[in-house]
Amino acid sequence: DAGVTQSPTHLIKTRGQQVTLRCSPKSGHDTVSWYQQALGQGPQFIFQYYEEEERQRGNFPDRFSGHQFPNYSSELNVNALLLGDSALYLCASSLRLQALNTEAFFGQGTRLTVV
Amino acid sequence: AQSVSQHNHHVILSEAASLELGCNYSYGGTVNLFWYVQYPGQHLQLLLKYFSGDPLVKGIKGFEAEFIKSKFSFNLRKPSVQWSDTAEYFCAVTTRGFQKLVFGTGTRLLVSP
Repeated sequence: DAGVTQSPTHLIKTRGQQVTLRCSPKSGHDTVSWYQQALGQGPQFIFQYYEEEERQRGNFPDRFSGHQFPNYSSELNVNALLLGDSALYLCASSLRLQALNTEAFFGQGTRLTVV
Repeated sequence: AQSVSQHNHHVILSEAASLELGCNYSYGGTVNLFWYVQYPGQHLQLLLKYFSGDPLVKGIKGFEAEFIKSKFSFNLRKPSVQWSDTAEYFCAVTTRGFQKLVFGTGTRLLVSP
């Protein structure tokens, strides 16, 4: 049973560039959430996708956007990268039908460094 | 808005010592509570969770946590830590309907052999 997989594992980008991060949810899961974990901080919620739509969003600017595909996989896009976007980006999957008592499973994350 | 506070940012213990990590949350409604652990170089893993029922929950690797509703707390405990427990521990809360997890800033635990 495959867990949550993310790619790439590490990425270095230049300020102003754009980046796309990818996530495949755990088998059987239909909901994907993205989190940003800055150094020394806990993960911060970016947004959540279900049925290919963004369902909830955290306090992140419009430079952060996402997409969910029919196979439930997801992408996180960040435009006009800033130095402050350097962080570990985590993908978490869950099963919507169990919303009342569900838990999230996390991938290993993508370490993004903006120089 | 929900928030989670973890009082200890760094904890250093010797093997066999007892562990208690504090976690307080702010939210007046019904919540689900979690403790996640992040071992060096590994992904976040669920240690234990509380949804309802018995406020004392047991998780993996000998960890347990107690939900005290009146104190808005969900402290993590382990009676005897091992060197392999060296990791970062995160407390998290979500409201029913699971929209998002709100995490604390984490506690970095170092267990010396």
